[in-house]
Amino acid sequence: AQKVTQAQTEISVVEKEDVTLDCVYETRDTTYYLFWYKQPPSGELVFLIRRNSFDEQNEISGRYSWNFQKSTSSFNFTITASQVVDSAVYFCALSEAGYSSASKIIFGSGTRLSIRP
Amino acid sequence: EAQVTQNPRYLITVTGKKLTVTCSQNMNHEYMSWYRQDPGLGLRQIYYSMNVEVTDKGDVPEGYKVSRKEKRNFPLILESPSPNQTSLYFCASSPYSSGRADNEQFFGPGTRLTVL
Repeated sequence: AQKVTQAQTEISVVEKEDVTLDCVYETRDTTYYLFWYKQPPSGELVFLIRRNSFDEQNEISGRYSWNFQKSTSSFNFTITASQVVDSAVYFCALSEAGYSSASKIIFGSGTRLSIRP
Repeated sequence: EAQVTQNPRYLITVTGKKLTVTCSQNMNHEYMSWYRQDPGLGLRQIYYSMNVEVTDKGDVPEGYKVSRKEKRNFPLILESPSPNQTSLYFCASSPYSSGRADNEQFFGPGTRLTVL
């Protein structure tokens, strides 16, 4: 069965520090997709990134970067030079592409990130 | 504007009184899904639909029903709500991809439900 673990329940850092949010997943499928979503204090859910299991290339988007490592089943998210606006709950999610569970999506429990000015 | 709408946004009801939370999307997405968000548990999928008249259970379907009679609408029905269904509910949709949930999801604004 698929599972997503975000062991860090809450993280608090001072502005401009770098911070990494961990995501560890379990799946039996060889084809799957991983996602990160952001939920700011206003409550909406915002898509950040999607990665398929065949693409282990790390990605950078401005201050955000993602490190996908199949060997450790991890898809970690790093914010460089954090800002107060980065304060939010961040969710990692897994979608399997296998026939038996083609359309289920499993979310982690989320990491609440607080950036102190 | 491309969006997913949910109604109502807030609802307080009593145990056993049937209710429906509506969800509508204007992006012509095939895939739609309902989630509930509870503290410490993240988002848990209740039901999903790959297309019209095709629905399936997520991880926490007990006590909920859904229907998908039209592509744009995916209502969530609580036939006999109980206090343990007090939660924040999100509807989401995403584009079709061979019937798989492998695309970015667009979420509605959420419905906060309290069952007394």
